Amino acid sequence: DTEVTQTPKHLVMGMTNKKSLKCEQHMGHRAMYWYKQKAKKPPELMFVYSYEKLSINESVPSRFSPECPNSSLLNLHLHALQPEDSALYLCASSQWRREKLFFGSGTQLSVL
Amino acid sequence: DQQVKQNSPSLSVQEGRISILNCDYTNSMFDYFLWYKKYPAEGPTFLISISSIKDKNEDGRFTVFLNKSAKHLSLHIVPSQPGDSAVYFCAANSVQKLVFGQGTRLTINP
Repeated sequence: DTEVTQTPKHLVMGMTNKKSLKCEQHMGHRAMYWYKQKAKKPPELMFVYSYEKLSINESVPSRFSPECPNSSLLNLHLHALQPEDSALYLCASSQWRREKLFFGSGTQLSVL
Repeated sequence: DQQVKQNSPSLSVQEGRISILNCDYTNSMFDYFLWYKKYPAEGPTFLISISSIKDKNEDGRFTVFLNKSAKHLSLHIVPSQPGDSAVYFCAANSVQKLVFGQGTRLTINP
């Protein structure tokens, strides 16, 4: 199993909603990542978890709150988002911090 | 400060010919380089990588070349196939994180 699974695939939310994005991998990877990608731009790193501990936060606004319940799961909790937060949110995992990343298909988020 | 640059936003190549995608970087701390392929609304798919201790890595139709002195790497695809049409991202890794270039849209014409 070399998949990273993300749910939901699409999400539309209002600025007052609370929602969560979920990511799961069963490759035994110990590093997991959240990236954000806007149209025609490269993926931008948001958070890195290493051994279930947050190791990098790229100065992401607090309306994005990551959580790593166990080594296979990664969540991104969303609250009071802005329309400019609309983007493709990608989860990735890697065996170690400096190995190649395996990406999920992403969640296409629209904030109205 | 763009540490990884792909200066060609797009490239069009005839089917069966060689596709060459280029990437430059500025940070000499990068020691591991990767190429990803991406279709719209999907996650990037890993293609091939190269460590800074090597200057070439080959995998089937894909070859990556690294010129450390010039801080330049390239991806060669030969022969190019219609299914290769996608956006290609170069990425560079240091201790902290993976940094992506802006991407090059490759179109393979029949």
